[in-house]
Amino acid sequence: AQSVSQHNHHVILSEAASLELGCNYSYGGTVNLFWYVQYPGQHLQLLLKYFSGDPLVKGIKGFEAEFIKSKFSFNLRKPSVQWSDTAEYFCAVLGTGFQKLVFGTGTRLLVSP
Amino acid sequence: DTAVSQTPKYLVTQMGNDKSIKCEQNLGHDTMYWYKQDSKKFLKIMFSYNNKELIINETVPNRFSPKSPDKAHLNLHINSLELGDSAVYFCASSQGTSYGYTFGSGTRLTVV
Repeated sequence: AQSVSQHNHHVILSEAASLELGCNYSYGGTVNLFWYVQYPGQHLQLLLKYFSGDPLVKGIKGFEAEFIKSKFSFNLRKPSVQWSDTAEYFCAVLGTGFQKLVFGTGTRLLVSP
Repeated sequence: DTAVSQTPKYLVTQMGNDKSIKCEQNLGHDTMYWYKQDSKKFLKIMFSYNNKELIINETVPNRFSPKSPDKAHLNLHINSLELGDSAVYFCASSQGTSYGYTFGSGTRLTVV
C-alpha cells in the first residue's frame, strides 16, 4: 500500500522567512508525487508535480520541491514566504499500478506580516 | 469556464434526510473521483469512476451511492444522513489514473 506522512502539522513563519515542509512516502515502486495547496475556504490547487527526470521541480508562486528517492522524500521549499502563502499544504503520492491519489494529513502554514 | 464544478456549494440538512451532490467536468477527462475532507482536513478517497465504470470503492457506508451517467458527470447520493457525514466533499477528475487531479471547489455538507 502507499502512504504519505507530513511531519509538520502547523508551521508559523514571519514574512520573508524561508520555508521547508517535509513529506515522506512509503511505496517501493515508481511514484508520481504532488504538492497541493488549499487556501482558506477554497479548493485544492496543484502547486507542482514530479513524474520523472530532474528531481528538482519548480512550481507556481515560487515553490519548488526536491525528490530524493533514497530517502523516499519530496520536501516543499520556498526561499521567502509571503502573507498570501497562508494555507494548508498537502503532499500526495500516486504509485504505479494504483489508481488513487493518497494524501498526507496536511501542514497548516501561517505567515504573519 | 470552471473546469470541475460541483453543486451545491453548501448543504445544510437534518439527520435522516437523503441528499445528492452533483459534479461535472469539462476537461474531457475520463476518470472522476469523490474525496471526503473531514474536520481535521484529512482527505480520503471514496469512489472513482473511469469512463462510467466504478474502479475504486473504498470502505464507505452503503448509504453513499455514486452514479456516473456519462464520463463528464459523477454524482453522489447519500441516504439517511448522519451527523458524522458532515464534511467537505470534493469532486476531482484526471486523464487516466496516473496524472494530477483537478479538483472542484467542494461541497460543505452540514448535518444537524
